[in-house]
Amino acid sequence: DAKTTQPNSMESNEEEPVHLPCNHSTISGTDYIHWYRQLPSQGPEYVIHGLTSNVNNRMASLAIAEDRKSSTLILHRATLRDAAVYYCIWMQTGANNLFFGTGTRLTVIP
Amino acid sequence: EPEVTQTPSHQVTQMGQEVILRCVPISNHLYFYWYRQILGQKVEFLVSFYNNEISEKSEIFDDQFSVERPDGSNFTLKIRSTKLEDSAMYFCASSGTRDSGRLSNQPQHFGDGTRLSIL
Repeated sequence: DAKTTQPNSMESNEEEPVHLPCNHSTISGTDYIHWYRQLPSQGPEYVIHGLTSNVNNRMASLAIAEDRKSSTLILHRATLRDAAVYYCIWMQTGANNLFFGTGTRLTVIP
Repeated sequence: EPEVTQTPSHQVTQMGQEVILRCVPISNHLYFYWYRQILGQKVEFLVSFYNNEISEKSEIFDDQFSVERPDGSNFTLKIRSTKLEDSAMYFCASSGTRDSGRLSNQPQHFGDGTRLSIL
């Protein structure tokens, strides 16, 4: 398993930005960093992924450290619907399955 | 936006019975997966499937489990003789089109799962 380390839980106020950190200190140069989230009673949902440079999409931004040992998922304006467990997953080259850890449970406070 | 659909949403089965969980992956995807999540625990990989054969499976995926793509649209997970510990949410996922390149660069799209309850 490709191990990542995330805080167990975080809180954010509604409409404020949220920065969710992840450590992946032994990642190799060709392995991708993926983020998924799981809303209550739903399946995992893809959020974003990247390799080296920062990535943006309609859901979030992904900031990857220059040494690639850590990354941060950024939700620019948290909404109540963003309350979920967020998983940072390091996908090794040649792998085609996701290894989910325990993730970060994000609580959004109205 | 295309999505992965799973049926039924909830399946209740007596221990020892066979159960088939069904999934319709996204139509142009080539790689298919099953995961499971026991209540309160992590999402666990079971099996991946490509080109009509299993490409990888976990230790959980023993001889009681099988997968099949019986036609061009469905992808099924069969548990031959269910046990109490098979009670879980089962998620199907799909990824990868013909031109999509490296799999590790492809997102997986999940269904909303089938809740399997073994009595």
